[in-house]
Amino acid sequence: EAQVTQNPRYLITVTGKKLTVTCSQNMNHEYMSWYRQDPGLGLRQIYYSMNVEVTDKGDVPEGYKVSRKEKRNFPLILESPSPNQTSLYFCASSLSGGAGTGELFFGEGSRLTVL
Amino acid sequence: GENVEQHPSTLSVQEGDSAVIKCTYSDSASNYFPWYKQELGKGPQLIIDIRSNVGEKKDQRIAVTLNKTAKHFSLHITETQPEDSAVYFCAASDSWGKLQFGAGTQVVVTP
Repeated sequence: EAQVTQNPRYLITVTGKKLTVTCSQNMNHEYMSWYRQDPGLGLRQIYYSMNVEVTDKGDVPEGYKVSRKEKRNFPLILESPSPNQTSLYFCASSLSGGAGTGELFFGEGSRLTVL
Repeated sequence: GENVEQHPSTLSVQEGDSAVIKCTYSDSASNYFPWYKQELGKGPQLIIDIRSNVGEKKDQRIAVTLNKTAKHFSLHITETQPEDSAVYFCAASDSWGKLQFGAGTQVVVTP
């Protein structure tokens, strides 16, 4: 089954404790991206990757890191989480060309709470 | 960059009635306008999209219209059913190919 898989789905952590949210897609997609969803703000892009070893900042990259060492994986790293990073996070992928050129496939989301 | 505004933020409709969600965008060079539906506990899923070379597109009970001059586009759902209850996001792709989402509309279909 074609899908984008995120882990963990739920996480409660404390300020400053490094964490990684993993994302994997099995559709051989070139493009991958991370979004955060907050009430009243919609989906805001954190980072994206056009291809392996190519990553770039989205609209709200502060406090986050990403890497794209393999085509299928695109982990999101919070080196020192803070309470304002409490949010619902989505990983997404698309075939090629970027988010504006075709369907984005989303994972089921990771709800992160930072105390 | 692109700015997308979406209204209303919540919409309650009686089953069988129509629902309309409206979005405006700022970048006149935007050329791709998808709509995503997010069911409770799930990730958003594309339901329909339209490109700037057409004014309307239909898929069963769902239709999208685009007015490039006014820079607005709308989602129309006819004969609403309980399974249409969800959050709907509009989006616009700016001249750089970057997708900007609206804030979302919570649609509740009451029996």
